[in-house]
Amino acid sequence: DQQVKQNSPSLSVQEGRISILNCDYTNSMFDYFLWYKKYPAEGPTFLISISSIKDKNEDGRFTVFLNKSAKHLSLHIVPSQPGDSAVYFCAAMERTNRDDKIIFGKGTRLHILP
Amino acid sequence: ETGVTQTPRHLVMGMTNKKSLKCEQHLGHNAMYWYKQSAKKPLELMFVYNFKEQTENNSVPSRFSPECPNSSHLFLHLHTLQPEDSALYLCASSPRGQGPANEKLFFGSGTQLSVL
Repeated sequence: DQQVKQNSPSLSVQEGRISILNCDYTNSMFDYFLWYKKYPAEGPTFLISISSIKDKNEDGRFTVFLNKSAKHLSLHIVPSQPGDSAVYFCAAMERTNRDDKIIFGKGTRLHILP
Repeated sequence: ETGVTQTPRHLVMGMTNKKSLKCEQHLGHNAMYWYKQSAKKPLELMFVYNFKEQTENNSVPSRFSPECPNSSHLFLHLHTLQPEDSALYLCASSPRGQGPANEKLFFGSGTQLSVL
């Protein structure tokens, strides 16, 4: 049973437009959420995170929104650039749990079109 | 360069072979992890080591045997694998317990394993 779901396997967006990647979770105990980006032949790299006490976190072109009541978060990239083409993983964890396990989604492949 | 180095980058092995994957981190972290990434599946946590002690074994078959001789090195010993074990094996480290905002994982580039 997946606790972190990324229902869109892939997404294509025109360069310069906004990319919106979505993620849903089922465990209401999750209190910290992360986005990772992965290029082919490389490991995932941390992109941005958000604590459950916030509903928005912004870092340059990247903004993560959290809707706790809907158990939904999204990553907005604006404007989208060719180098943003990658697989994006949503992840969640329960920091109050000593295990600190980070649970990942399946990923969404983002294609930025010229 | 994330400070986490994995070797080899690619590995092809038969079902009767024994091989080992190696991971080294130069970040001073105290927690190390093995993850498995199969096609169309989430990243699956396999093992967690915290201060060289194994704190998590996520129901991984015994044909995968981890070893953590010190906080900087992590091995995954492979023995009599099956073709369905073919996947990308990722090592990660984190500064777990070293501060309130240090939940980030730092990943290596992975070993692409093919079992024939």
